[in-house]
Amino acid sequence: KAGVTQTPRYLIKTRGQQVTLSCSPISGHRSVSWYQQTPGQGLQFLFEYFSETQRNKGNFPGRFSGRQFSNSRSEMNVSTLELGDSALYLCASSLDGNAEQYFGPGTRLTVT
Amino acid sequence: SQKIEQNSEALNIQEGKTATLTCNYTNYSPAYLQWYRQDPGRGPVFLLLIRENEKEKRKERLKVTFDTTLKQSLFHITASQPADSATYLCALAFEGNYGQNFVFGPGTRLSVLP
Repeated sequence: KAGVTQTPRYLIKTRGQQVTLSCSPISGHRSVSWYQQTPGQGLQFLFEYFSETQRNKGNFPGRFSGRQFSNSRSEMNVSTLELGDSALYLCASSLDGNAEQYFGPGTRLTVT
Repeated sequence: SQKIEQNSEALNIQEGKTATLTCNYTNYSPAYLQWYRQDPGRGPVFLLLIRENEKEKRKERLKVTFDTTLKQSLFHITASQPADSATYLCALAFEGNYGQNFVFGPGTRLSVLP
């Protein structure tokens, strides 16, 4: 069974731009969660999508948004990028969001 | 305020010994707790899940305990091997303002010395 895939793996953007990251979950998994990981703050929960609906949300500003498609693939968008948005963005899929999560390799975003 | 801590940033042990990692939390009422392993440059890998009504879970050389009174989970790796060297993260699942949230600890970087 193929694992969670994320594209792109690396991205460099300029402050003020916007970015879209993509995540393809494990086949059959309906829940996709997004996390931001930085050396200072660790792994922080952004939001979770289940059956195309945002079901849970962490404490991030509205510049961070996402969506999920009918095939469970998910995208995360960050608008008006700030230097502090530089991080590893991880997505994780699970069957229903209430059990173990399977993480992708992450997208390394650098904002200059 | 809510806080989740892991006993130390780094832990060095000798091969063959048991590694014990600690996860403490305050002001959360978790439904369950998970442990993950993360290698440099890679996403975390799920290891074990333990629910609030369970005291102990085992999987091969891994054992996790969960004490909701002490608000603490212990993660043990017996007969440790250099291949066990990685960062280990604990994660709580709890009901937040917008539904079930996950919060991760800062991690403990384990080094098993040959």
